[in-house]
Amino acid sequence: GENVEQHPSTLSVQEGDSAVIKCTYSDSASNYFPWYKQELGKRPQLIIDIRSNVGEKKDQRIAVTLNKTAKHFSLHITETQPEDSAVYFCAASDSNDYKLSFGAGTTVTVRA
Amino acid sequence: KAGVTQTPRYLIKTRGQQVTLSCSPISGHRSVSWYQQTPGQGLQFLFEYFSETQRNKGNFPGRFSGRQFSNSRSEMNVSTLELGDSALYLCASSLDKGNEKLFFGSGTQLSVL
Repeated sequence: GENVEQHPSTLSVQEGDSAVIKCTYSDSASNYFPWYKQELGKRPQLIIDIRSNVGEKKDQRIAVTLNKTAKHFSLHITETQPEDSAVYFCAASDSNDYKLSFGAGTTVTVRA
Repeated sequence: KAGVTQTPRYLIKTRGQQVTLSCSPISGHRSVSWYQQTPGQGLQFLFEYFSETQRNKGNFPGRFSGRQFSNSRSEMNVSTLELGDSALYLCASSLDKGNEKLFFGSGTQLSVL
């Protein structure tokens, strides 16, 4: 089955700096890669997703890049703000699988 | 539109007991998935249902089971509880695909003593 590894497990950044989280996946059949954000005590929420036929996608201050050959994808947050402090989960999926395989999560702390 | 609703919010059980968790998806969503969340382990897939049919199942023992009703509401059951079953159980709904645009509930925090 699919195995998703996520690094780093914790990340502390100064407000205004950028944050980068990297994930690798094992199953070459995976073609859908979402990112979820979970604030403390809250439910996970989808923040951005990318399909395997796209190399990069942006939404305001967040962007995701995908390298299919190397089987890795990354989340980039620019101009970080205190409200970006949360746990971020990457995930991978094959469209025919009806499930997501999640990474272990990255706890991001934005220092004021 | 009401979000995904999970009940109960908290549960305390003892080893050997069984438990049933409930999930009401967003209106119009026909796919319901269940995930187990533990500290440092991320979210582990349990199972996914669509139109009352289980389409996929994760690597959990047979003590974990689920079902979906005709109104898309879903329940999961854990029998013969073990200490290691203590976790946050999250339900997620989506329109039809069990892997895209998931909307999660607040979860049921299960503690096994």
